[in-house]
Amino acid sequence: EPEVTQTPSHQVTQMGQEVILRCVPISNHLYFYWYRQILGQKVEFLVSFYNNEISEKSEIFDDQFSVERPDGSNFTLKIRSTKLEDSAMYFCASSDYLGDEQFFGPGTRLTVL
Amino acid sequence: TQLLEQSPQFLSIQEGENLTVYCNSSSVFSSLQWYRQEPGEGPVLLVTVVTGGEVKKLKRLTFQFGDARKDSSLHITAAQPGDTGLYLCAGDTGGGNKLTFGTGTQLKVEL
Repeated sequence: EPEVTQTPSHQVTQMGQEVILRCVPISNHLYFYWYRQILGQKVEFLVSFYNNEISEKSEIFDDQFSVERPDGSNFTLKIRSTKLEDSAMYFCASSDYLGDEQFFGPGTRLTVL
Repeated sequence: TQLLEQSPQFLSIQEGENLTVYCNSSSVFSSLQWYRQEPGEGPVLLVTVVTGGEVKKLKRLTFQFGDARKDSSLHITAAQPGDTGLYLCAGDTGGGNKLTFGTGTQLKVEL
């Protein structure tokens, strides 16, 4: 069964460093999303992406964050200068069309030291 | 800001018991999805409800969307230890661009 994959599963970085989290959405899906979940808190929306453009972003998604679809299969989230409070699980999701069910990847645990 | 409140927050029951988890909001959702999440993993989609009053069944799980599309419930019949996990509801307010997640219900089913 098709699934969303994410790499790495765990990323440890020093505060101020740049990190890139990678996702491979389900192959025929057109809409892509990033969410994050701080330990013990609820899942929060970061950004949605369609047709090589950001469709919507939350207030969390500030200038330190960016997304890119560098090729036909990958979807990345870059954090330019990580802060301690960026430590969280980051989930990628994809859907077939707007408003359709979103399927989530297994997540990348980001730890900022 | 849309809020989805789930209740109860925690639930510990014995195998074979029935339970209901509630998801409530003041916002109207065009669709609502239920997910189950294991520790350290991503949410796994269980079901999507779209129409007010809709009822969907998935084996021992019954999902209902409120008539006004502001609330939903998940009922599990004869719970089993394998049902243990974090149950999340998530609503789409119609833009289709993002899901707003509920606060979650942590279910533990003991032998």
